[in-house]
Amino acid sequence: GAVVSQHPSRVICKSGTSVKIECRSLDFQATTMFWYRQFPKQSLMLMATSNEGSKATYEQGVEKDKFLINHASLTLSTLTVTSAHPEDSSFYICSAEGQSTFTAEAFFGQGTRLTVV
Amino acid sequence: AQSVTQPDIHITVSEGASLELRCNYSYGATPYLFWYVQSPGQGLQLLLKYFSGDTLVQGIKGFEAEFKRSQSSFNLRKPSVHWSDAAEYFCAVGGRASSASKIIFGSGTRLSIRP
Repeated sequence: GAVVSQHPSRVICKSGTSVKIECRSLDFQATTMFWYRQFPKQSLMLMATSNEGSKATYEQGVEKDKFLINHASLTLSTLTVTSAHPEDSSFYICSAEGQSTFTAEAFFGQGTRLTVV
Repeated sequence: AQSVTQPDIHITVSEGASLELRCNYSYGATPYLFWYVQSPGQGLQLLLKYFSGDTLVQGIKGFEAEFKRSQSSFNLRKPSVHWSDAAEYFCAVGGRASSASKIIFGSGTRLSIRP
């Protein structure tokens, strides 16, 4: 299957700083990327959907000014957590879908564990 | 509205025993259904998926799932579990909306294996 790489896998940052997480599709062009958030022992909650070259669509309750998503190329999407606070600590996972991939199948990155201290 | 229900939060089975994880979904159209497995601190691995055709689908690691439209279910099964199967399992439903699909996850079932 297609490969999606997420970086970094773990990051610790100080409260008030910003953190950028990258999601790359390594062997296909990702026309759409999704960002999920997972709290401990909970399910994945979709945060936003981004299409290459356009603004991301955020799910209800997700602050778009806090979670900045950029999908500037067909292989890269970034999620920036701005002015991070301890409550932003979570596991963030991206997934990517391309036009050439299976209908409705998205491929997931390995996730990023964010800890805000 | 789309939703996925996994009624079992935590299941413990003995190694070598059979396993069935339940999943019910609510979806307005023909759903695309998935089962993912997540080991602690790791990302998601796709076990199997159903789009159309044969309602009994085979996946990796000896898992299978059966789509039952009349029951809106997509239960995951394995005839004999191994200690390495201990993990969190997520059922998910997706579909196409315009040019992109959106996958909705269930709350997950944590599987523990008794030696």
